[in-house]
Amino acid sequence: DVQLVESGGGLVQPGGSLRLSCAASGFTFSSYAMHWVRQAPGKGLEYIAFITTHGGSTNYAKSVRNRFIISRDNSKNTVYLQLGGLRPEDTAIYFCARAGETGSYYGDSWGQGTLVTVSS
Amino acid sequence: DIQMTQSPSTLSASVGDRVTITCRASQSISSWLAWYQQKPGKAPKMLIYKASSLERGVPSRFSGSGSGTEFTLIISSLQPDDFATYYCQHYNSYPPTFGGGTKVEIK
Repeated sequence: DVQLVESGGGLVQPGGSLRLSCAASGFTFSSYAMHWVRQAPGKGLEYIAFITTHGGSTNYAKSVRNRFIISRDNSKNTVYLQLGGLRPEDTAIYFCARAGETGSYYGDSWGQGTLVTVSS
Repeated sequence: DIQMTQSPSTLSASVGDRVTITCRASQSISSWLAWYQQKPGKAPKMLIYKASSLERGVPSRFSGSGSGTEFTLIISSLQPDDFATYYCQHYNSYPPTFGGGTKVEIK
């Protein structure tokens, strides 16, 4: 079974940094593009970052571009999201998701999420 | 960015009811549309992709249709496990965006 497990969330001050990890198992990780998606408390869903199978190409939402960096290590079956310049509005549950067929921009399997709280 | 608009935002229904949720895109997205179910405190679960393709393991009471800018999710006979929030999402281009969600409540 596909399993995605996020970690690294927590409480951070405005302007701070954090690195999230998503460990994958149950599928050939290097064959799939990956997404990070977030959901602010009580709000809807927002795709924020995408990375292709070997990391050669990335995409970002405008809201996080130049502050967040997505990367992956296929030898560790893990995708990362480096969060920088954090703002209170970045407070959310952060999910990683496996991209659908041929690297499509949808998530066919999701982790349980990790909560990031940005507050002083 | 492409805007996705869902209606209704809340829907009250009974077990056994046929439920219809509508999603509109601000420009044509061909059939690049997915539907998700999300329960409180859980991750979204994909139900349908490419507007009408049922994800493996999803019950056949769920169906999707549409193309271009108008799409529909139908639950043919609502079951107790189906009370949740449903989201549509286009994937025509980056960034993919979601509709605002439809909460299906018990009547």
